[in-house]
Amino acid sequence: GEDVEQSLFLSVREGDSSVINCTYTDSSSTYLYWYKQEPGAGLQLLTYIFSNMDMKQDQRLTVLLNKKDKHLSLRIADTQTGDSAIYFCAEVTTDSWGKFQFGAGTQVVVTP
Amino acid sequence: DAGVIQSPRHEVTEMGQEVTLRCKPISGHNSLFWYRQTMMRGLELLIYFNNNVPIDDSGMPEDRFSAKMPNASFSTLKIQPSEPRDSAVYFCASSQTGGAGNSPLHFGNGTRLTVT
Repeated sequence: GEDVEQSLFLSVREGDSSVINCTYTDSSSTYLYWYKQEPGAGLQLLTYIFSNMDMKQDQRLTVLLNKKDKHLSLRIADTQTGDSAIYFCAEVTTDSWGKFQFGAGTQVVVTP
Repeated sequence: DAGVIQSPRHEVTEMGQEVTLRCKPISGHNSLFWYRQTMMRGLELLIYFNNNVPIDDSGMPEDRFSAKMPNASFSTLKIQPSEPRDSAVYFCASSQTGGAGNSPLHFGNGTRLTVT
């Protein structure tokens, strides 16, 4: 996962917006994913975006992509205590077939 | 859709023993992946299969590790002999067309292995 970088920790108050950042390396034909991992569970797919898109919105989740800087962010609106988890950014290129590159994960802690 | 099913959820064993982890992928998915997760190294891809054939096992740490996929609905990851440094959470994941592009990985809940 060293090719995909994320900050390790984020603390946010309930009701505020969370923004989790990620930088990736391959600018060509890339899909970028966000996964959520709750304690004792596997990784759950949240959303994904193709590199020819700038933004994708899905209910409380907004993904923003800055291709120039190879920067991806996940914004969670109205953060709830149930959003406390580890969030992983992952990159895969269309010619890497199965080689998901995961970041180290960002631990998000939501406080009341 | 039952999701990816892994067993056992927890395994505690003594050093030197053989350990077998099991995985049932989502029906209809033709690619299967084994990952290992530790605090120190994060998520590591060990091996993946497409249509039951191993495609890339370069992530398998050493010869003590082996994986098989005898059919489309079952895979095993075996460690023999096990060592304390093998302690980790092992995840199985499956996807429909090899995990490329918009075919995301679907993960099981993992097997937490502790080798004493």
